[in-house]
Amino acid sequence: DVKVTQSSRYLVKRTGEKVFLECVQDMDHENMFWYRQDPGLGLRLIYFSYDVKMKEKGDIPEGYSVSREKKERFSLILESASTNQTSMYLCASSPDSKGGYGYTFGSGTRLTVV
Amino acid sequence: GDSVTQMEGPVTLSEEAFLTINCTYTATGYPSLFWYVQYPGEGLQLLLKATKADDKGSNKGFEATYRKETTSFHLEKGSVQVSDSAVYFCALNPYAGNNRKLIWGLGTSLAVNP
Repeated sequence: DVKVTQSSRYLVKRTGEKVFLECVQDMDHENMFWYRQDPGLGLRLIYFSYDVKMKEKGDIPEGYSVSREKKERFSLILESASTNQTSMYLCASSPDSKGGYGYTFGSGTRLTVV
Repeated sequence: GDSVTQMEGPVTLSEEAFLTINCTYTATGYPSLFWYVQYPGEGLQLLLKATKADDKGSNKGFEATYRKETTSFHLEKGSVQVSDSAVYFCALNPYAGNNRKLIWGLGTSLAVNP
């Protein structure tokens, strides 16, 4: 089974801290995604990557950056955490070649910024 | 542009009731369609999918038929259980060749009471 692993289920960080959320997938997928999920707002795309060392902004990239140094790993970075970044963060991956495959998601990281 | 509209929740049903969650879409090409489910505190899991018109996706007693004439992909289950309580997301992939950019509905919360 494809597995997408997010390093933490729950995180509590202080305002102003630099925060790293890690995501690793084990099925050699080309595409990786970071979403945040908030009540009433659905899934909002932060950043995505189609290949190693490449990244593209999603719908809400402000306050975030990403890194993809290896194909299996996609990191989300909160440069200076703020309380409005308290949210559920979801990582997903997908293969580029099979159009009907969809995404495989990790279990999510619930981040609280205090 | 491409979009997905699903019925607002929350939906509250008694155990063994019939479930319908409506999903309609707008797409210029021939999209693939998906239903994902998110149990409390978890990431999203693929529930079912359909890749072409008139396909029926099914899994765990849930079904959805890809209706191109009505641009719909409604989720149905004949007899819901308490364990079906979750948030359900409808999504489309507008591209046949890859899985780069799924378009998401806002999600519909389902609560099933014993």
